[in-house]
Amino acid sequence: EAQVTQNPRYLITVTGKKLTVTCSQNMNHEYMSWYRQDPGLGLRQIYYSMNVEVTDKGDVPEGYKVSRKEKRNFPLILESPSPNQTSLYFCASSRTTGPYTFGSGTRLTVV
Amino acid sequence: GENVEQHPSTLSVQEGDSAVIKCTYSDSASNYFPWYKQELGKGPQLIIDIRSNVGEKKDQRIAVTLNKTAKHFSLHITETQPEDSAVYFCAASRGGSQGNLIFGKGTKLSVKP
Repeated sequence: EAQVTQNPRYLITVTGKKLTVTCSQNMNHEYMSWYRQDPGLGLRQIYYSMNVEVTDKGDVPEGYKVSRKEKRNFPLILESPSPNQTSLYFCASSRTTGPYTFGSGTRLTVV
Repeated sequence: GENVEQHPSTLSVQEGDSAVIKCTYSDSASNYFPWYKQELGKGPQLIIDIRSNVGEKKDQRIAVTLNKTAKHFSLHITETQPEDSAVYFCAASRGGSQGNLIFGKGTKLSVKP
């Protein structure tokens, strides 16, 4: 089945403790992106990648890092999480001509 | 910077009525405009998309129209059903990069039986 898999689905962590949210796609898509969803703010792009070793900042990149060492994987790294990073996170992938396929989401709470 | 405005933020209709959601975009180079439906607890799913060389596209009860001159596009749902209740997002490509999207803030549609 063609899909984007995110892990974990739910995560509660403490301020300052480094964490990684994994994202993997099995469709050989070139593009991958991370978004955060907050009430009233919609989906805001954090980082995106056009292919292996090619990444760029989205609209809200502060406090996040990404890497794209393999085509199928695009992990999101929070080096020192803070409470304002509490959010619902989505990974998505697509071909160069679209459309996006989204993962099921990761609900992160930072206390 | 690039921006997509979406209206209304909430919409309530009676079952069987039509629903219309409107979006405007700022980047004149945008050439791809998808619409996504997000049900509670799930990721957004594509319901219809349109490219800049087309003015209208229809798929059963769902249609999308695009006005490139005015830089706006709309989603039309006819004969609404309770299962159409969800949050709907419009999106536009960042320039000609159809794999890189900027989203509107979403419309919560409620269809009352």
